[in-house]
Amino acid sequence: DARVTQTPRHKVTEMGQEVTMRCQPILGHNTVFWYRQTMMQGLELLAYFRNRAPLDDSGMPKDRFSAEMPDATLATLKIQPSEPRDSAVYFCASGQGEGYGYTFGSGTRLTVV
Amino acid sequence: AQSVTQLDSHVSVSEGTPVLLRCNYSSSYSPSLFWYVQHPNKGLQLLLKYTSAATLVKGINGFEAEFKKSETSFHLTKPSAHMSDAAEYFCVVSDFSQGAQKLVFGQGTRLTINP
Repeated sequence: DARVTQTPRHKVTEMGQEVTMRCQPILGHNTVFWYRQTMMQGLELLAYFRNRAPLDDSGMPKDRFSAEMPDATLATLKIQPSEPRDSAVYFCASGQGEGYGYTFGSGTRLTVV
Repeated sequence: AQSVTQLDSHVSVSEGTPVLLRCNYSSSYSPSLFWYVQHPNKGLQLLLKYTSAATLVKGINGFEAEFKKSETSFHLTKPSAHMSDAAEYFCVVSDFSQGAQKLVFGQGTRLTINP
């Protein structure tokens, strides 16, 4: 089965360090989401791309977070500088657009100490 | 904007008995609706989706959901629970507001299966 690949699976870093999370969407999928999951907030949408163009990143703290798709096979989410409150599981999902459903990766579990 | 309310944060049933996970949505147009399942420390897996075709949708692992527009509901059911069904379940609506599509997640329902 085709899958969305996220790396790394786990990341522990010190406050103030830069963190980069990567996502390889399923080949042929033109839509990519980044979500963050915490116990308190549940699943929050951070950013959304269609055909590599950012359509909505209103859920992302702009001063420290950035999301890009340098090419169709790679999406990145960067945090600089990282803070303890960024500790969460970050999920990437890809799909073919409205009505098709989306495939989620296994997530990156980030711990900022 | 679309929204989703999962009416129960936790549901507990005995193995072999029916499962009902409730979901209500609000939408200004005909929505796409999904159910996802998340097992502990795992990613989210699509169970089923409704996209304005048949109102009774069959998914994987014996799950079904019925879209009822008059009740704005999309409840998830399974006739007989299995131990492996223990997980977190999310009802999701697709939101097309402002020309962009988002998946709006409910808060989740934790399903516990008792032996």
